[in-house]
Amino acid sequence: DADVTQTPRNRITKTGKRIMLECSQTKGHDRMYWYRQDPGLGLRLIYYSFDVKDINKGEISDGYSVSRQAQAKFSLSLESAIPNQTALYFCATQPTGAADTQYFGPGTRLTVL
Amino acid sequence: DQQVKQNSPSLSVQEGRISILNCDYTNSMFDYFLWYKKYPAEGPTFLISISSIKDKNEDGRFTVFLNKSAKHLSLHIVPSQPGDSAVYFCAASDSGGSNYKLTFGKGTLLTVNP
Repeated sequence: DADVTQTPRNRITKTGKRIMLECSQTKGHDRMYWYRQDPGLGLRLIYYSFDVKDINKGEISDGYSVSRQAQAKFSLSLESAIPNQTALYFCATQPTGAADTQYFGPGTRLTVL
Repeated sequence: DQQVKQNSPSLSVQEGRISILNCDYTNSMFDYFLWYKKYPAEGPTFLISISSIKDKNEDGRFTVFLNKSAKHLSLHIVPSQPGDSAVYFCAASDSGGSNYKLTFGKGTLLTVNP
């Protein structure tokens, strides 16, 4: 089983709809991240959480919100989806307190029509 | 302002030759650097890293070189194999202020031709 899972893997929705992307991990890491990838723009950080009670905005948080329901779960919501939120979304986890790598989920491809 | 730059969107090399992917950074507080590899329809996977106290780190066919004075790092793949064809992301972190959050470059698409 994958250590970092994301649901759904693909989603097509319409402008104005509320969408939730979910991330679960079995790695036992405290830190979790949400990124989006757009062609030619690399990976940009949306939100991150260093533990269950800690939520922080990344560089492109406008239009998004998150919820850290448990150590293993970190959800990303688009309250009212718009077409320029069409992108690949990745969740990642990281151990605490070390200059260590992040482990990414397989991604969710979101299309907003 | 982009703090991690990968100025080559793509690179094509022949199987068996060396692939050199480049990355520049502007934030002098960055002290840990990583390379990630991404295949289509998959998440990025960690490849190799280097701390700012070193200038070279090697892992099999992959070597990362760090030139702190030039704020430049490079990934060398020798010999290149068709299975190395992927997008490669350079990432950097500041262990102090950003607490190991990563800043990514835009990526370089490497194509290794048989």
